[in-house]
Amino acid sequence: QKEVEQDPGPLSVPEGAIVSLNCTYSNSAFQYFMWYRQYSRKGPELLMYTYSSGNKEDGRFTAQVDKSSKYISLFIRDSQPSDSATYLCAFPPQGGSEKLVFGKGTKLTVNP
Amino acid sequence: NAGVMQNPRHLVRRRGQEARLRCSPMKGHSHVYWYRQLPEEGLKFMVYLQKENIIDESGMPKERFSAEFPKEGPSILRIQQVVRGDSAAYFCASSPPRGRTMNEQFFGPGTRLTVL
Repeated sequence: QKEVEQDPGPLSVPEGAIVSLNCTYSNSAFQYFMWYRQYSRKGPELLMYTYSSGNKEDGRFTAQVDKSSKYISLFIRDSQPSDSATYLCAFPPQGGSEKLVFGKGTKLTVNP
Repeated sequence: NAGVMQNPRHLVRRRGQEARLRCSPMKGHSHVYWYRQLPEEGLKFMVYLQKENIIDESGMPKERFSAEFPKEGPSILRIQQVVRGDSAAYFCASSPPRGRTMNEQFFGPGTRLTVL
């Protein structure tokens, strides 16, 4: 079983739609959860992170974690063309390691 | 405050040549990480360095790849005798010294290596 699974898409939605992006993970030791956004030909940038199960909201973005199911989601409300990017879930270092473990990323296009 | 800088942004090499990728971390950051992104793949960790020390190189291929972060100057990722399979985007990230609860890594724009 892969440590992180993320549907690569691509996902195409009309402007204003609600977008749901998801990842599953197998390592129950992960304690916090991140979402990075990567625009084409750019480096990833941290969008949101959360520690606990439940929801965390930041503007149009909501991160949701279900530790019992090892499932995390990122919701984008009122999606905009500027949200078109690849979204990567990421998981923190474990056991003294500093390496982030990334999903493959979901490519999202929001059409005007 | 300038972000993480990488150069060159694009690098073309022929098989068998050497590739040198440079990374200057954000001001005040003493930890540097290198990741590789192959086409249609996610980011994969390669190596974690602090000044003059390699801390974790568990993601580095055993041969041809090396990394350094000298006391002065940028971090260098060096690939000797490149092969076509080395074609990828290489990203550098940096973070401040330990003490923060969460390891937020700030990424540079990447170097896109093409091996002909």
